[in-house]
Amino acid sequence: SQTIHQWPATLVQPVGSPLSLECTVEGTSNPNLYWYRQAAGRGLQLLFYSVGIGQISSEVPQNLSASRPQDRQFILSSKKLLLSDSGFYLCAWSRPPFSGRAYEQYFGPGTRLTVT
Amino acid sequence: DQQVKQNSPSLSVQEGRISILNCDYTNSMFDYFLWYKKYPAEGPTFLISISSIKDKNEDGRFTVFLNKSAKHLSLHIVPSQPGDSAVYFCAASRRDTGNQFYFGTGTSLTVIP
Repeated sequence: SQTIHQWPATLVQPVGSPLSLECTVEGTSNPNLYWYRQAAGRGLQLLFYSVGIGQISSEVPQNLSASRPQDRQFILSSKKLLLSDSGFYLCAWSRPPFSGRAYEQYFGPGTRLTVT
Repeated sequence: DQQVKQNSPSLSVQEGRISILNCDYTNSMFDYFLWYKKYPAEGPTFLISISSIKDKNEDGRFTVFLNKSAKHLSLHIVPSQPGDSAVYFCAASRRDTGNQFYFGTGTSLTVIP
């Protein structure tokens, strides 16, 4: 079976500090990977997605970046956090569409980031 | 531009009755739709999906209906249980261009015992 891990679970960081959130997937290969953010009382905002190693698509211009150094590893980073970066960050994976298998997204447990 | 909309931020239903959650979309090219359930401080959990070639998909207490002409889908939960209380998100995808899922803003369901 497949498992998705995210860490840390919670994080409190001062404004201007760097950020690194990590996500790894087990039990599948060549997954599509995604980073979402849910701000307080809001829906899920897609930040980045990746269809392969080194391939990153950005949906929203911001001071965040993403990298995919390995097939099943997805990293969300920032050089300098802003107050507005606070939120609940979710990593997700899916199989590619028309892969012959179920096409759904599966989410990790999330990281609660508070920027102070 | 919100391509998937859930216009009801909240819904309260008595235990044992039917819960109906609605979702509208604007992109007629979407061909795959999903519903997720989310508890606070947890990741969303996949519930049920439907492709555009169908108008209904059922899984236990959960049924999703798709009306392509109206660009509308709904999730029916029968009978509703207190454990169903959560935020429900609908999502849509266009599989030919693939790789992205568009989420609504969620509906918070409260099932009253």
